[in-house]
Amino acid sequence: EAGVAQSPRYKIIEKRQSVAFWCNPISGHATLYWYQQILGQGPKLLIQFQNNGVVDDSQLPKDRFSAERLKGVDSTLKIQPAKLEDSAVYLCASSLRSVGTDTQYFGPGTRLTVL
Amino acid sequence: AQSVAQPEDQVNVAEGNPLTVKCTYSVSGNPYLFWYVQYPNRGLQFLLKYITGDNLVKGSYGFEAEFNKSQTSFHLKKPSALVSDSALYFCAVRDGRAGRRALTFGSGTRLQVQP
Repeated sequence: EAGVAQSPRYKIIEKRQSVAFWCNPISGHATLYWYQQILGQGPKLLIQFQNNGVVDDSQLPKDRFSAERLKGVDSTLKIQPAKLEDSAVYLCASSLRSVGTDTQYFGPGTRLTVL
Repeated sequence: AQSVAQPEDQVNVAEGNPLTVKCTYSVSGNPYLFWYVQYPNRGLQFLLKYITGDNLVKGSYGFEAEFNKSQTSFHLKKPSALVSDSALYFCAVRDGRAGRRALTFGSGTRLQVQP
């Protein structure tokens, strides 16, 4: 079974530029998550989708971050404009459902460096 | 609010010795608890989870964890450490009450196994 796919793996941009990350979850997984992992910290949830609907985006900085999952499969996370403090690893995860007992499976992440 | 504490930034153990990585949690409802491992430049890999039932949970690669409700702990253990176990370990908790979806991670513990 293929895992969660993410691209690109690395991205370096200047502050105030825009950037987009792509995620393809495990086939059949209805729930998709985006996390931000700052160096030395654990992942922090940014947004959770159930199929193509947003379930939780309470910690998403909506003035600069946006995400979509239009067809209920793959997803894109965008930052516009980027700030220095956005430098982090962006992890995508998926689970079969949004039930609390379900295991989340993570992709390899995208390491973003904002200069 | 739910939270996770991993009191040790780093744990050092000799190969062949038993290892313990500590985790304590705080949550209002019944906890769903997870352990993940992260290797360099890789995403988080699921090790094991506690949902209900037997307090001793067995997972991948010989790891196990013991749920202790009175001490609100979920320590990760392995009887005999391998050099290849050296990685970053994250404990995570989710509130078991309906509608509580977010997974909260600890800050991670780096395990170093010396040959």
